[in-house]
This record gives sequence, C-alpha cells and structure tokens, in this order.
Amino acid sequence: RKEVEQDPGPFNVPEGATVAFNCTYSNSASQSFFWYRQDCRKEPKLLMSVYSSGNEDGRFTAQLNRASQYISLLIRDSKLSDSATYLCVVNKPGNTPLVFGKGTRLSVIA
Amino acid sequence: ETGVTQSPTHLIKTRGQQVTLRCSSQSGHNTVSWYQQALGQGPQFIFQYYREEENGRGNFPPRFSGLQFPNYSSELNVNALELDDSALYLCASSLADVSEAFFGQGTRLTVV
Repeated sequence: RKEVEQDPGPFNVPEGATVAFNCTYSNSASQSFFWYRQDCRKEPKLLMSVYSSGNEDGRFTAQLNRASQYISLLIRDSKLSDSATYLCVVNKPGNTPLVFGKGTRLSVIA
Repeated sequence: ETGVTQSPTHLIKTRGQQVTLRCSSQSGHNTVSWYQQALGQGPQFIFQYYREEENGRGNFPPRFSGLQFPNYSSELNVNALELDDSALYLCASSLADVSEAFFGQGTRLTVV
C-alpha cells in the first residue's frame, strides 16, 4: 500500500462547479499535511497547509481527519485557471522528506 | 520566484552515460532534498542533505549519489543512466525542522 493515496482522476468539471479531492495516508506518525498544485511540466507549488481545525483560503477549503487519516481539498466556483494536478503531501516530524501522492488532475472546462 | 534554481532545465543523455544536476537553495536554507518525478506520478524522494551530510535516502540504487556544498547548494549525480531514469528531477530547499519546502523549476532528463 502506498503511503499517500489520492483519487486517481482525472476530474473534468465545468466552470463554476465545486470539486472535492480526497487523500488518505498510512503513517500515523505523519504530522504535517499539505496540498500542492502542479501545472503541466512545472514544479509543485504549495497551495495550502492543512490543519486539524480545517482551514480556508478564498475558494479553497482543506480538512484533516487524523482519526481516519484522511485529508480533503474542496474547490468552490472552479475557474479555468484551477486546471492543474493537485498533490496531497504529508510529512513526519523532524527534518524528514515530504511524501507525495500520485496527484489528481483537474480540468475545468468553459 | 522561490529562490531555488536548478540547472540545466533540459538535458538529453544516452543510456550508460553519467549526468550531474545542480541546485542552488534559497538563501539561509540548510536542507536540500531531491525528488524524481516520472510522467503521471508524484515526486519520489531520492535523498536529502543537511549541512553537507546525507540525511536520509529513498529507494534508489547507489548509482544515484549527491553532494551538498558549504553554501548549501547541491548536486545530484546519476551514473550508468538507464531509459527509466527519464524524468523530471526536482530539488527542494528548506530549513531543518520546518516542513515547508520550496521547489526549483526542475531538470527534465531524457535518456535515449
């Protein structure tokens, strides 16, 4: 079993739609959680960190359920510019590397 | 944007050759991690350097090696290149014990 698993996608949605991505992680020692966005043939860029209390940044809402080892990302009112691959990322305590999911590709269609 | 720069941006090598990829970390960052991202996959951890010492290694063979210099810049060396080494190689810099990492734009390596 992979350490971080995501919805395989791709997700093709119309502009204005709400879309949700799910992610599970297997290592209960994981302490930090993130969503990264990666545009085609570019490097990953941090979209947002994910906190236990849930957090929101504009149209984006991230949730973490430590008991279920589950992370989610909700995008409301999708824009064409949201088209990208969304990577779920976890990290253990200390100076340890990030562990990435395979990514879920989103295409927002006009 | 992130202050992390990688060179070269693109590279084509022949099977069996050796390659060196370079990364300049963001100012003040003492940790550099290297990742390999094959097409359609998430980045896979290769190894991490902290203050010039290897500080962790993923499931990659010994022909993948690295260095970190006193200014915290880093190199990734791959010997005896194989076709499956074709990928985007990403360098990320960070501060020790701070989870947020900043990525360079990557080096796209094609092995033919």
